[in-house]
Amino acid sequence: AQTVTQSQPEMSVQEAETVTLSCTYDTSESNYYLFWYKQPPSRQMILVIRQEAYKQQNATENRFSVNFQKAAKSFSLKISDSQLGDTAMYFCAFRRGGSNYKLTFGKGTLLTVNP
Amino acid sequence: DTAVSQTPKYLVTQMGNDKSIKCEQNLGHDTMYWYKQDSKKFLKIMFSYNNKELIINETVPNRFSPKSPDKAHLNLHINSLELGDSAVYFCASSSALPGRSYNEQFFGPGTRLTVL
Repeated sequence: AQTVTQSQPEMSVQEAETVTLSCTYDTSESNYYLFWYKQPPSRQMILVIRQEAYKQQNATENRFSVNFQKAAKSFSLKISDSQLGDTAMYFCAFRRGGSNYKLTFGKGTLLTVNP
Repeated sequence: DTAVSQTPKYLVTQMGNDKSIKCEQNLGHDTMYWYKQDSKKFLKIMFSYNNKELIINETVPNRFSPKSPDKAHLNLHINSLELGDSAVYFCASSSALPGRSYNEQFFGPGTRLTVL
């Protein structure tokens, strides 16, 4: 079974600063995907970024980037130039490769961006 | 246009009642899911259907019964509601077809169920 661990229940950052959220996972699979989801107070689950395990290059989406360390089974999210609208719960999630497999989530990190 | 919709968004009911939550997706996806988010915000898979066929059934009380009338709809019926069923229930969908959205799950807005 896969497990996903987010060791930081809460974090805070000043507006315009950079923050890194940690995630580690455990799996025996070789083909898998990793995701970061954002859940603002509206409770909508929003996909922030995804990483295919077979790709060595770290994924980036505008101000969001990941540091994917496959051997260490680590998948951290870096948010640059933090904005007030980034305040949300952030969930790291794992999914086996192939089609239609479930997402396994970490317990989440509550990020607060302070003005 | 809403991609994945759920009704109702809020549901307050008494213990022992039976209730249903509906989910519809207009993305043309072939797989739909139900996730439960508890009071500590932990998200866990409950069920998954692919082309109306049940493919994932985690350890969920049999008071919970999903039904998929077609691949665009996945409903969740809950019998004899208990206090511990209070949670936010999310519907999601995905496609097995290659493309930009391959392997991504799109979530509905969630249904907050409160059992009194």
